[in-house]
Amino acid sequence: AQKITQTQPGMFVQEKEAVTLDCTYDTSDPSYGLFWYKQPSSGEMIFLIYQGSYDQQNATEGRYSLNFQKARKSANLVISASQLGDSAMYFCAMREGNTGNQFYFGTGTSLTVIP
Amino acid sequence: EAGVTQFPSHSVIEKGQTVTLRCDPISGHDNLYWYRRVMGKEIKFLLHFVKESKQDESGMPNNRFLAERTGGTYSTLKVQPAELEDSGVYFCASSLVGAEQFFGPGTRLTVL
Repeated sequence: AQKITQTQPGMFVQEKEAVTLDCTYDTSDPSYGLFWYKQPSSGEMIFLIYQGSYDQQNATEGRYSLNFQKARKSANLVISASQLGDSAMYFCAMREGNTGNQFYFGTGTSLTVIP
Repeated sequence: EAGVTQFPSHSVIEKGQTVTLRCDPISGHDNLYWYRRVMGKEIKFLLHFVKESKQDESGMPNNRFLAERTGGTYSTLKVQPAELEDSGVYFCASSLVGAEQFFGPGTRLTVL
């Protein structure tokens, strides 16, 4: 079974608008971490935001916030006030259990910001 | 501080040839990971080093893939002999204990 599911292969958003990128996960481990990475056309993977399974509040980092709904097993990324530079692939990832364990990734969402 | 670096950035080889990918992690990061993304699919874990030891190699596709991390610094991933289905982008990541993984820019491997 897929551990991370990203159902939006491609998304478009108008510049300065907010956009939500969906991510659902599947795990039976009570301890896990959820991550979002951005991959621009240059290829590098840029860490954006992290949410721990025991965190009480949704994570926020500047214009990025993570809408963590534990009961629904979803960890959607919200980008506010989109900028042209936000156009990229976005990957949701999960790490189960111990902090050194491997990441499970989704297939990614390609975001295009329209001027 | 230098990030994770990978060499080469691109490699085009013929089926049956050998290719060696290199990853230099961030200095001081004991954890080193290899991942692969085949076109259009998710990024998949290959293996995890802690220093020079293989902690988890459950994601290695088959015995044509050999990863090493001698001395616990840089790592190499050798594919021998390469097959068409090995084409993809190979990412390396490193981390401190309990921290997020920092990824390199990837090596795009094309097997013809």
